[in-house]
Order: sequence, then C-alpha cells, then structure tokens
Amino acid sequence: SQQGEEDPQALSIQEGENATMNCSYKTSINNLQWYRQNSGRGLVHLILIRSNEREKHSGRLRVTLDTSKKSSSLLITASRAADTASYFCATGLNQGGKLIFGQGTELSVKP
Amino acid sequence: GAVVSQHPSWVICKSGTSVKIECRSLDFQATTMFWYRQFPKQSLMLMATSNEGSKATYEQGVEKDKFLINHASLTLSTLTVTSAHPEDSSFYICSATAESKKETQYFGPGTRLLVL
Repeated sequence: SQQGEEDPQALSIQEGENATMNCSYKTSINNLQWYRQNSGRGLVHLILIRSNEREKHSGRLRVTLDTSKKSSSLLITASRAADTASYFCATGLNQGGKLIFGQGTELSVKP
Repeated sequence: GAVVSQHPSWVICKSGTSVKIECRSLDFQATTMFWYRQFPKQSLMLMATSNEGSKATYEQGVEKDKFLINHASLTLSTLTVTSAHPEDSSFYICSATAESKKETQYFGPGTRLLVL
C-alpha cells in the first residue's frame, strides 16, 4: 500500500522562484528519499535523508525531515525550466529494503 | 556510474501473448532488483523484489504466476508478463541496488507495454 502522500499534487511557478513540495508518511522509517521523473522516463535519485537527520542540502535542493510529524519537504531554489518534472518522495523502512513511493508532485516551471 | 538499462523501451502485443522485459545493471553488480508498475499520472507501485539466485518476493495483490520474475545473474533480471491482457498495459520500471550502497535505487528508463 502507498505510504506517502504529497502535496501539492501540481505546482506551477515562474523561473527563478522557489518550489516547495511536501511529503507525509505513516509508519516509522529508516530513510526518506526524493526522486525526479521526467515524463515517460525512469526515476533519478536526488537526495536521501536518514531518520536521524533533520536537514540536508545538495546544490539547489534542500530537504527537511520531521520524524515527529512524519513529514518531509523538498525545496528547489532558483528554479529553472529544466526542473519541470514529477517529484516523488519514497520511504525506506529498513536498510537496503524496498521503497514506498508517494503520489508525486508535478512541477511546472515556466520560462 | 550506476546505470540501469531496460529492454525493450516499448512493446505492443496482442492479447494472450507473453512479453519479456529485461533489466540490466551496466556498471555494477545488483544484488537486489525491484519491479514497479506505473499508470499515467500516478505513482510507482512496487510489484516485487528480486534477489539474485532466489525467488522473488511479490507484493500483496500481485499474481506471481502472471508476472514471472527471474534474477539469474547479478546484472540481469527479467519480468515476463504471461498471457497479457489490455489491463496489463502500463509503464513497467525496474530498479537496482548495489551491495555497497543498498539504500539507493537506480532506475531503468522504463518499458511501455500496450496490449491490444
């Protein structure tokens, strides 16, 4: 069953603006990951945050994790048209195990 | 590094035929591979987890006789959709993890299946 819920389902912004996507989950996790999917393609791993971490950065990406609220957010700063894609959070319940994906947020960045 | 390929990228077949999809890790040994199914505008649904040399573990509701998974080597897993029907039409994506970095899954580009 799906564990994660994401909001918003769709987000449309102008180039240069920041985009924030949120993910909530239901059970205890080992880690939470964010992936990106361009239309009709496979997924690309963006960032992983472990359950004992609160924040992580990678380039223009910033991920936060609040295990008390069972939620995470992905912030993309200074967005570009090339950031247009679907973004999924996925929870890992244990090391090396399966991932449970959220419903995804469809991000559209207009030039 | 960590490239996963899938073949074919798309396939159209008649109802009742079987279709085999290959998933290969090109530059690493994949101890575990995962098979997902994705409907348009929806999330990925995990179908099964496949470990090299052992039987796949299927998720609840996934028919193992319908979706045959073989993981014969550390670089290849196959998914065979047997007696395909139109409702099996979907986007099938595989992923693989390496022994040295088990938490991260590397995804293939997906295979679009259309059953007529």
